[in-house]
Amino acid sequence: GQQLNQSPQSMFIQEGEDVSMNCTSSSIFNTWLWYKQDPGEGPVLLIALYKAGELTSNGRLTAQFGITRKDSFLNISASIPSDVGIYFCEGNQFYFGTGTSLTVIP
Amino acid sequence: GAGVSQSPSNKVTEKGKDVELRCDPISGHTALYWYRQSLGQGLEFLIYFQGNSAPDKSGLPSDRFSAERTGGSVSTLTIQRTQQEDSAVYLCASSWRTSGLQFFGPGTRLTVL
Repeated sequence: GQQLNQSPQSMFIQEGEDVSMNCTSSSIFNTWLWYKQDPGEGPVLLIALYKAGELTSNGRLTAQFGITRKDSFLNISASIPSDVGIYFCEGNQFYFGTGTSLTVIP
Repeated sequence: GAGVSQSPSNKVTEKGKDVELRCDPISGHTALYWYRQSLGQGLEFLIYFQGNSAPDKSGLPSDRFSAERTGGSVSTLTIQRTQQEDSAVYLCASSWRTSGLQFFGPGTRLTVL
């Protein structure tokens, strides 16, 4: 199946730094969702976006639905060690990004 | 249970054997999805069930893969004559309805020797 372009592939940051990752597609999507996956677990939904231009926050997480409807980004502010994991975007249903692996160095 | 459960959590099999992976969705969820996640990759859609409708099998990679959902609840993904490239984590998710938010199970890690 189709996979979305997600970048960066991996990030190593210091605790307290902000993080930004994004997903792009050649197709228009009606929804964008962001998930976090911990080792040995299934993905857990973080934020869901349903409208172009929509900006939604969930604690230290902020995500935006691009106005072209072909991209989305996720920001994490003031990172903490428990933010470690793999972050995935999903466009519509069934189409997932390749993941961003985040490592937070205390 | 409160969440999606999958069994077994790990499965090691020999090339050429058949395997069955089980998914118990959240009670009341009408939609059920199967995905495959290869090492370091994103999720690859396999198959989708919605109520009593015919399943969307468009993601199944070959005719060795099949799935069924009995009574609109439990689902079984079957892989026949397993190959080494079938080694991956197989994730199941369920949602209240089509286009509803998906809740994932912990996955089954399949290793084909």
